[in-house]
Amino acid sequence: GESVGLHLPTLSVQEGDNSIINCAYSNSASDYFIWYKQESGKGPQFIIDIRSNMDKRQGQRVTVLLNKTVKHLSLQIAATQPGDSAVYFCAENRGSNYKLTFGKGTLLTVNP
Amino acid sequence: GAGVSQSPSNKVTEKGKDVELRCDPISGHTALYWYRQRLGQGLEFLIYFQGNSAPDKSGLPSDRFSAERTGESVSTLTIQRTQQEDSAVYLCASSFLIADTQYFGPGTRLTVL
Repeated sequence: GESVGLHLPTLSVQEGDNSIINCAYSNSASDYFIWYKQESGKGPQFIIDIRSNMDKRQGQRVTVLLNKTVKHLSLQIAATQPGDSAVYFCAENRGSNYKLTFGKGTLLTVNP
Repeated sequence: GAGVSQSPSNKVTEKGKDVELRCDPISGHTALYWYRQRLGQGLEFLIYFQGNSAPDKSGLPSDRFSAERTGESVSTLTIQRTQQEDSAVYLCASSFLIADTQYFGPGTRLTVL
C-alpha cells in the first residue's frame, strides 16, 4: 500500500551529538518529501524538503538524504540542542498531488 | 498575517453536540488544508480547498464532517453529532499554491466526552 513510515519511534541523544532520523516510503512514484518538527502543543513546523531529482539537501544544521533505490529518507541534525527535542515527521507529496501523507513520527529527546 | 491561526485552541463538548472549528490561513495563500491528528499518531488528511472550492472531500471520515471556505480566506470545519472517536487535534495548513510548502497552524484540540 501507499505509506510513509519511520524506523525508530524514539531517539535519545546527548546535547552536541549528531542525530539521524530515518523514514521509509513505499510509493516509488513519490517525488517530493518534507520533514516537519512538531513540539508539544504546537502544529508541525516545516524544516526542510527534497525533490526526487536530488539525493541530498542541506539547511542550517540539518541535512536530508534521499535514497530512491531503497526508498529511504533520513534527516540529520548536527550538534543537536535541547531545543531540537520534538517529534519529527516525514511526509510525502506526490507531484501536483495536494495530499501530504505522514508517518507516525519519531520522538527525539536531547539530554543535556 | 504572520502565520496560520486556529480557534478555539481547545474545545470540550458532549457527545451528540455540533462543533465548529475555524482556520485563518496566511494572507494570500490560495490553498488551505485540514488534517486530523489522533494522540501519538501522524496527520490524517481530511480535505483541501483551492480558492473557495473543495475538489476532494474523500478524506472526510463521515457525512457528519463538512467544511467550507469563504473569501478565499477563513475556513470552518464543522462536525455534527460529535462522537468520542472524533476526539483529536484538528490542524489547518495553507500554502501559496497547491503543492507548495504547507504551513500549519497550532491546531484545535477537540475532546468529546
